Amino acid sequence: SQQGEEDPQALSIQEGENATMNCSYKTSINNLQWYRQNSGRGLVHLILIRSNEREKHSGRLRVTLDTSKKSSSLLITASRAADTASYFCATAAQAGTALIFGKGTTLSVSS
Amino acid sequence: EAGVVQSPRYKIIEKKQPVAFWCNPISGHNTLYWYRQNLGQGPELLIRYENEEAVDDSQLPKDRFSAERLKGVDSTLKIQPAELGDSAVYLCASSLLGGLHYEQYFGPGTRLTVT
Repeated sequence: SQQGEEDPQALSIQEGENATMNCSYKTSINNLQWYRQNSGRGLVHLILIRSNEREKHSGRLRVTLDTSKKSSSLLITASRAADTASYFCATAAQAGTALIFGKGTTLSVSS
Repeated sequence: EAGVVQSPRYKIIEKKQPVAFWCNPISGHNTLYWYRQNLGQGPELLIRYENEEAVDDSQLPKDRFSAERLKGVDSTLKIQPAELGDSAVYLCASSLLGGLHYEQYFGPGTRLTVT
């Protein structure tokens, strides 16, 4: 069963704009991870944030985590056409345990 | 460093036929996962191995699915007999439990179509 929900389900933006995706989950977590999946390909790990962290940056990515609200957001700044993909958040109850994924947000970046 | 390798990439079979998927994890990774991803959904765990031991197989439909991880390295996932509802992408992932990093690294997946 799915742990949570990404919002929005689909997002269309122009190159150079920022994209924000949100994720909500239901149970206590050890960490939350964001993955990208291009059409017909496997999942690529983007960033991990632990339950005791509130914000994390990696290049053009910024992730926030609010454990009191059981929610996270992924911000992609200055988007590029190559960012077009599906983005999934996934939670782990403990380190190394199975990831529980949401249904994903489909991002389309047009040039 | 080589990533997670899976084969075949695509498989088309008729219902009631058997099928097997193979996974070679990243060298040194002791934990291996099999996920199934239905169209428009996120992946869902089928089974997790720590070394040779299956530590979480609660979501594996054991009447038709089986898996093994011999010598704690490669793994095979089998379906026998396949049903129409088994059409999906089967993803293998690996990670290094006990390290400082908890990321799971995914292979490209096997897209199964059951007709």
